[in-house]
Amino acid sequence: ETGVTQTPRHLVMGMTNKKSLKCEQHLGHNAMYWYKQSAKKPLELMFVYSLEERVENNSVPSRFSPECPNSSHLFLHLHTLQPEDSALYLCASSYGQGAGEKLFFGSGTQLSVL
Amino acid sequence: AQKVTQAQTEISVVEKEDVTLDCVYETRDTTYYLFWYKQPPSGELVFLIRRNSFDEQNEISGRYSWNFQKSTSSFNFTITASQVVDSAVYFCALSEGESGSARQLTFGSGTQLTVLP
Repeated sequence: ETGVTQTPRHLVMGMTNKKSLKCEQHLGHNAMYWYKQSAKKPLELMFVYSLEERVENNSVPSRFSPECPNSSHLFLHLHTLQPEDSALYLCASSYGQGAGEKLFFGSGTQLSVL
Repeated sequence: AQKVTQAQTEISVVEKEDVTLDCVYETRDTTYYLFWYKQPPSGELVFLIRRNSFDEQNEISGRYSWNFQKSTSSFNFTITASQVVDSAVYFCALSEGESGSARQLTFGSGTQLTVLP
């Protein structure tokens, strides 16, 4: 099984560009997540989708726009980013949303904003 | 509010040494879950173990073992006879169970383990 796949692995973009990150899970899970991992900081949850409905939006700036067209695919659309948005963006999925659910992560997209 | 502290930012050991990664947590719930995840250089976090607050039995899986002590709010992770492939960032995480969900998972800041040959 291929688990959770993220593309691209690396992305360099200017502050005026528009790009999208893609995540795909082949585990039959019902919930998908976007996390941001910055150097020296704990993982930050950005968005959660459950059965294609957004159920969590942790005060993320509007320059990040998620999309979940179906339970297997998750996108993060990026526009007019700032240099402080440079980080590793991780996608994860879980079967359910209970507190004891374990998350399955992709390898992440390393984003650099110039 | 829940909190996870991993005081060890970086640890370096020589292969075959034993190493313990510390995790201290704070929660007001009586029902909660504790996790350990491993993040190798490839980037993806890999689930290692989940423990619920009612199960204080220590667990051993091969070279890995976990010591859960509610009295000290700790959930420490020991690698016996470490190997170079164990080099990674290890995250401890907590999810409160009574009214919580997976989206309320709180991660510690991680411990970078380097195993030298």
